[in-house]
Amino acid sequence: ETGVTQTPRHLVMGMTNKKSLKCEQHLGHNAMYWYKQSAKKPLELMFVYNFKEQTENNSVPSRFSPECPNSSHLFLHLHTLQPEDSALYLCASSQAGANTEAFFGQGTRLTVV
Amino acid sequence: GQQLNQSPQSMFIQEGEDVSMNCTSSSIFNTWLWYKQEPGEGPVLLIALYKAGELTSNGRLTAQFGITRKDSFLNISASIPSDVGIYFCAGQITSYGKLTFGQGTILTVHP
Repeated sequence: ETGVTQTPRHLVMGMTNKKSLKCEQHLGHNAMYWYKQSAKKPLELMFVYNFKEQTENNSVPSRFSPECPNSSHLFLHLHTLQPEDSALYLCASSQAGANTEAFFGQGTRLTVV
Repeated sequence: GQQLNQSPQSMFIQEGEDVSMNCTSSSIFNTWLWYKQEPGEGPVLLIALYKAGELTSNGRLTAQFGITRKDSFLNISASIPSDVGIYFCAGQITSYGKLTFGQGTILTVHP
């Protein structure tokens, strides 16, 4: 238990569906992140939120839409995805600033059919 | 952007052997972190390093922050089957906690 909880753990969706991934952290952190992990690739940073404000979008396609309503919750809204978007989506949190440690959730295994 | 080169990509060892893996970068990092990821789970933090030259242990794991601030290594002594997983290094340069990850080292331990 890392203090970062992601739901659902597994998700299968069609290319025309709309779904959302949820992340919640109970660590009192003020920064939250979405990462994508594909087979045989390093973790790819997608979005960064600091104090609920998006501070980084790593050239992510608009079919991925993040939302951070407060410092403890982070969502990733998905629509019209492609099969190549199938991956493990990981949420992480940390204190904002240098020399901080990021803690990860267990991830959502997404399959787009 | 920053890149981390992690090696080896995979290791197949016998139980009881020692393991060594490392990460190098062309950029200077202020923080080095080592994570372990098991199948179906997210990465779990093993060791965090904050100063050049720092050597830190966590049980059978030892990691060092290179003097040049461009590299780090992780050693596992007397490996056991539950050490199996993917080990990632990660470096942090600036504020906001953004991490750059290595490609990972897949460790397999044969009993």
